[in-house]
Amino acid sequence: QVKLLQSGAALVKPGDSVKMSCKASGYTFTDYIIHWVKQSHGKSLEWIGYINPYSGGTNYNEKFKSKATLTVDKSSSTAYMEFSRLTSEDSAIYYCARRRHFDYWGQGVMVTVSS
Amino acid sequence: DIQMTQSPSVLSASVGDRVTLNCKASQNINKYLNWYQQKLGEAPKLLIYNTNNLQTGIPSRFSGSGSGTDYTLTISSLQPEDVATYFCFQHNSWYTFGAGTKLELK
Repeated sequence: QVKLLQSGAALVKPGDSVKMSCKASGYTFTDYIIHWVKQSHGKSLEWIGYINPYSGGTNYNEKFKSKATLTVDKSSSTAYMEFSRLTSEDSAIYYCARRRHFDYWGQGVMVTVSS
Repeated sequence: DIQMTQSPSVLSASVGDRVTLNCKASQNINKYLNWYQQKLGEAPKLLIYNTNNLQTGIPSRFSGSGSGTDYTLTISSLQPEDVATYFCFQHNSWYTFGAGTKLELK
């Protein structure tokens, strides 16, 4: 069955970066794009961007273009998102999701930015 | 950017009720509208894609309809396990989520 397994929670200091992972299983990794989504506490969902695991091509929400970097490792069927220059506004849960339909989601990574 | 407006923001209903959730796009999204269910502490789950297509494994009491800018999610007979927040989502032009409707039991 399709699964997206994300890395564990992170506590980071303001100004630091965080890199999180999303390991895919149960399907051919390079067949579908992987999206990343932000959910701030008690709020709705924001699309950050997507990466095509086959080509490595990316597209970003303008709001996150200078903040997020998406990469993949095809050999391990894993997608990564690095979030840089963190502030308290970046404290949130970050999800990966598959395909245009966002049909399967990872369990989420809670990132807390605090000194 | 396309904005998605959901109504109501909170809905209280009884078990067995027919429930309707609404979603309005700021422009025509050509039926590229999905619905997700998010229970407390969990990731969103896809219920309906492209307006009216039921995702595999989702109970048939869930259905979707709409066109243009106006879309609806209907639960034909509310069950206790349906308590959750429901998000609409457009993927016609980039990707935008609505703010959600929180569905509670009366």
